[in-house]
Amino acid sequence: EIVLTQSPGTLSLSPGERATLSCRASQSVSNNYLAWYQQKPGQAPRLLIYGASSRATGIPDRLSGSGSGTDFTLTISRLEPEDFAVYYCHQYGSAPRTFGQGTNVEIK
Amino acid sequence: EVQLVESGGGLVQPGGSLRLSCAASGFTFSSYWMHWVRQGPGKGLVWVSRISSDGSSTNYADSVRGRFTISRDNAKSTLYLQMNSLRADDTALYYCARVPSPAATVDYWGQGTLVTVSS
Repeated sequence: EIVLTQSPGTLSLSPGERATLSCRASQSVSNNYLAWYQQKPGQAPRLLIYGASSRATGIPDRLSGSGSGTDFTLTISRLEPEDFAVYYCHQYGSAPRTFGQGTNVEIK
Repeated sequence: EVQLVESGGGLVQPGGSLRLSCAASGFTFSSYWMHWVRQGPGKGLVWVSRISSDGSSTNYADSVRGRFTISRDNAKSTLYLQMNSLRADDTALYYCARVPSPAATVDYWGQGTLVTVSS
């Protein structure tokens, strides 16, 4: 099973600042099948990025994904109020599919 | 509009059973693989099970294999999860989720149904 480790656990930033979230896999993610999800309290996760770098429908271009192999990054260029949430990385290239433990992006 | 509406959660004693349902609408249900993913209280997401679009292929996480059974009724656009021999660590919010193809990631999630296993 591929273990995904996200860092940091919590990121305290102000609106307008840049956020950089990391996801490291215990082994190479097949075909770079790495996704990022956003989850707000009481809500279901929302797909942001798939295939490591492709934005899902309706996702603004201030969010971007990068990386390959075992190291992946989600970058939010300028934080908007609606971006404060928990973010999960998820690998779907190998069975069983696994998720990281999450990074909480909170308002500083 | 894509909608996934879970139901069937509740409080059950250890060793008991529950059947979760997920009613789908707004898309051609029979064309999509479907998954169940759970989230323990204050915890992260954990993949549970998946089923092929025609129901012929299923997969399970090791933690639930032999106790849970995923199924679907394409005529009713409904996904199911039969959960037997429930344990305290099965307590979670259970989400049904849609996947556009076998190798793709989840693109839509339901709002979840809460399962609590406690005496």
